[in-house]
Amino acid sequence: EAQVTQNPRYLITVTGKKLTVTCSQNMNHEYMSWYRQDPGLGLRQIYYSMNVEVTDKGDVPEGYKVSRKEKRNFPLILESPSPNQTSLYFCASSLTGVEQPQHFGDGTRLSIL
Amino acid sequence: AQSVTQLGSHVSVSEGALVLLRCNYSSSVPPYLFWYVQYPYQGLQLLLKYTTGATLVKGINGFEAEFKKSETSFHLTKPSAHMSDAAEYFCAVSSPSGGSYIPTFGRGTSLIVHP
Repeated sequence: EAQVTQNPRYLITVTGKKLTVTCSQNMNHEYMSWYRQDPGLGLRQIYYSMNVEVTDKGDVPEGYKVSRKEKRNFPLILESPSPNQTSLYFCASSLTGVEQPQHFGDGTRLSIL
Repeated sequence: AQSVTQLGSHVSVSEGALVLLRCNYSSSVPPYLFWYVQYPYQGLQLLLKYTTGATLVKGINGFEAEFKKSETSFHLTKPSAHMSDAAEYFCAVSSPSGGSYIPTFGRGTSLIVHP
């Protein structure tokens, strides 16, 4: 089954404790991206990757890191999480880029206390 | 810079009534346009997309949208609402510009369907 898998689905943690949210896709997609969804703000892109070893900032990259060492994986790293990063996060992938529809994971709800 | 405006954060209809969700965009180049649906506790799923060609686009679950360049609109419609259509709907625009590939999503419209 074609899918984008995120882990964990839920996480409650404390300020400053490094965390990683994993994302994996099994569709051989070149393009992957991370979004955060906040009430009333829709989805905002954090980082995206056009292909392996190629990443770039989206609209709201501050406080986040990503890496793309393999085509299928695109982890999101919060080196020193803060309460304003409490949000619902989605990973997405598409075949080549944003001209193609994106396939979304089921989301990761992060609470930073 | 591109932008997307979804008119109405909430739209309420009766079961069987017409569904109309509005989306206006701005883009300096011909855009790609998408509608996604999000059910509770799930990620977004593609409803339909416009890239080039026919301006009336048909999607899944009986939804369709029409690209109107002169009005910079891409409104989503469905002739007859069903209870299962209750969800959050997002309009999105993507256009390559200066090497940037950042898609822009609207703030979403919550569709409420009354029996």
